Amino acid sequence: KAGVTQTPRYLIKTRGQQVTLSCSPISGHRSVSWYQQTPGQGLQFLFEYFSETQRNKGNFPGRFSGRQFSNSRSEMNVSTLELGDSALYLCASSLLAGDNEQFFGPGTRLTVL
Amino acid sequence: DQQVKQNSPSLSVQEGRISILNCDYTNSMFDYFLWYKKYPAEGPTFLISISSIKDKNEDGRFTVFLNKSAKHLSLHIVPSQPGDSAVYFCAAKEGGGADGLTFGKGTHLIIQP
Repeated sequence: KAGVTQTPRYLIKTRGQQVTLSCSPISGHRSVSWYQQTPGQGLQFLFEYFSETQRNKGNFPGRFSGRQFSNSRSEMNVSTLELGDSALYLCASSLLAGDNEQFFGPGTRLTVL
Repeated sequence: DQQVKQNSPSLSVQEGRISILNCDYTNSMFDYFLWYKKYPAEGPTFLISISSIKDKNEDGRFTVFLNKSAKHLSLHIVPSQPGDSAVYFCAAKEGGGADGLTFGKGTHLIIQP
């Protein structure tokens, strides 16, 4: 069974631009969560999507948004990029919403210049 | 305020010996705990988990111990192997909660030959 896939793997943007990251969950998994990993803050929860609905959102500004499609694939968008948005963005999938065990993709490394 | 703390940023252990990684938490609502292992340029890989109704869970060379009164858990790896060298993250979740996983900042385990 294929794992969680994320595209692109690496991305370089400049301040003020916007970016869209994509995540395809494990086949059959319907919940997708997004996390941001930075050296200073570690891994932090961004939001979770289930049945095309955002269930909850972590402590991030409104510039961070996402959506989920009917095939459970999810996209994350960051608008008006700031230098501090440089991070590894990880997507995790689980069978159902709120499941304890989540399976992570390889991440997208975003660098903002 | 960090709700999940891994106080040792790194740990060096000789091959064949026991590795013990520690994790403390402050949120008494957490009732499920997980350990993830992460290699560079890859997403975290689920290792082992434990529910708060148990105090021990074992899977091969990996054992997780939970001390609820002390709000402390530990991961034991016996015997340690070179392939165990990685960053280990402790994570916690509130039962049925939509807040995603709360992670510690990780411990870099180095297995020396």
